[in-house]
Amino acid sequence: DAGITQSPRHKVTETGTPVTLRCHQTENHRYMYWYRQDPGHGLRLIHYSYGVKDTDKGEVSDGYSVSRSKTEDFLLTLESATSSQTSVYFCAISSGTPNTGELFFGEGSRLTVL
Amino acid sequence: EDKVVQSPLSLVVHEGDTVTLNCSYEVTNFRSLLWYKQEKKAPTFLFMLTSSGIEKKSGRLSSILDKKELFSILNITATQTGDSAVYLCAVKSNTGNQFYFGTGTSLTVIP
Repeated sequence: DAGITQSPRHKVTETGTPVTLRCHQTENHRYMYWYRQDPGHGLRLIHYSYGVKDTDKGEVSDGYSVSRSKTEDFLLTLESATSSQTSVYFCAISSGTPNTGELFFGEGSRLTVL
Repeated sequence: EDKVVQSPLSLVVHEGDTVTLNCSYEVTNFRSLLWYKQEKKAPTFLFMLTSSGIEKKSGRLSSILDKKELFSILNITATQTGDSAVYLCAVKSNTGNQFYFGTGTSLTVIP
């Protein structure tokens, strides 16, 4: 199994509070991603990183920010959580190698915003 | 707009049946197509296909890609209850090494 750890795995919070999800990898992969998964929508990309301090937006980035200060860590922050951000969040990594470089997923973080 | 469409959305079969799952895509700067299996937890990697017409096979699962018609199929023969899961199709783009996912096909195998 790819060495990806997400924390916390479960969190319940209230509307308006800040939340940070952490993703830690031991594979030294260049690319890291945050996805959310909701019924009927599949996996949607929030933000991704292609190196330390290099990040870019995905299709559902509004209300989220990310940071990558070290190769191994990628943080997802909800500055002021809303009920629409209740979801399962997956971190994923990829080496970026063209003909291999598949995506490996962490175990997911279930966030409930009341 | 880049998109990946899977069909059917859901499927219920009996053990021993053969199923075919479909994935069509419109993604600029296509690199490869990937299949994942998801059982109540994180998706797990099944196949990556980069070339048309070359079948990838793992046990009872096989997959093939048609880059001209922009689709892929995932076949599962002699299905078992352990095959019950959501099967996800994803396309990897050369642009930013991004991956685009379909909404998945939910397969239920009845004993």
